[in-house]
Amino acid sequence: AQSVTQPDIHITVSEGASLELRCNYSYGATPYLFWYVQSPGQGLQLLLKYFSGDTLVQGIKGFEAEFKRSQSSFNLRKPSVHWSDAAEYFCAVASGTYKYIFGTGTRLKVLA
Amino acid sequence: NAGVTQTPKFRVLKTGQSMTLLCAQDMNHEYMYWYRQDPGMGLRLIHYSVGEGTTAKGEVPDGYNVSRLKKQNFLLGLESAAPSQTSVYFCASRTYRQGQGAYEQYFGPGTRLTVT
Repeated sequence: AQSVTQPDIHITVSEGASLELRCNYSYGATPYLFWYVQSPGQGLQLLLKYFSGDTLVQGIKGFEAEFKRSQSSFNLRKPSVHWSDAAEYFCAVASGTYKYIFGTGTRLKVLA
Repeated sequence: NAGVTQTPKFRVLKTGQSMTLLCAQDMNHEYMYWYRQDPGMGLRLIHYSVGEGTTAKGEVPDGYNVSRLKKQNFLLGLESAAPSQTSVYFCASRTYRQGQGAYEQYFGPGTRLTVT
């Protein structure tokens, strides 16, 4: 069955520290992968996406993600976290032509 | 452009009451979606539409109905609300065009619904 797993429910990092949020997927074909960010009380905003080509994709707000087919992973990274990055982050995969499967999210807390 | 808008932003219903959530998009997108978001469960697809006049069931359709009479609007109805439908509801839209950009969903700000 197709699925997206975000193993970490909560992550706490200090401001200025590096960040890596994990995402593993299960999908038979070449996946179209996404990372979204949701600030409290807001909708989801697309950070970045992967369709094909270069396995390291750059997104907005200084985020990047690396697609590793052998590990079925699409981890999100940021070299230096800012307090404004505190939010919930969702990984998703496009499932067929119309649908998407979302992970359960990782809530990021940033310590000053 | 306003993007994707949702009405209302908040609502409290009593069990058994009905209501309709409105989603509107001004991007001329063909596909529209309704999700619900519950703690620890991510986003789950309720219903979706691939064009005016067409709708389809998603992962959790029970207790909801939808209509897409106009391309820009996608309505989600609760005929008889239950406490289990307390959730945050998000609408999203995307284009049907081929290519990588076609798969990007644009989300509304959400509607927080409480059923008592």
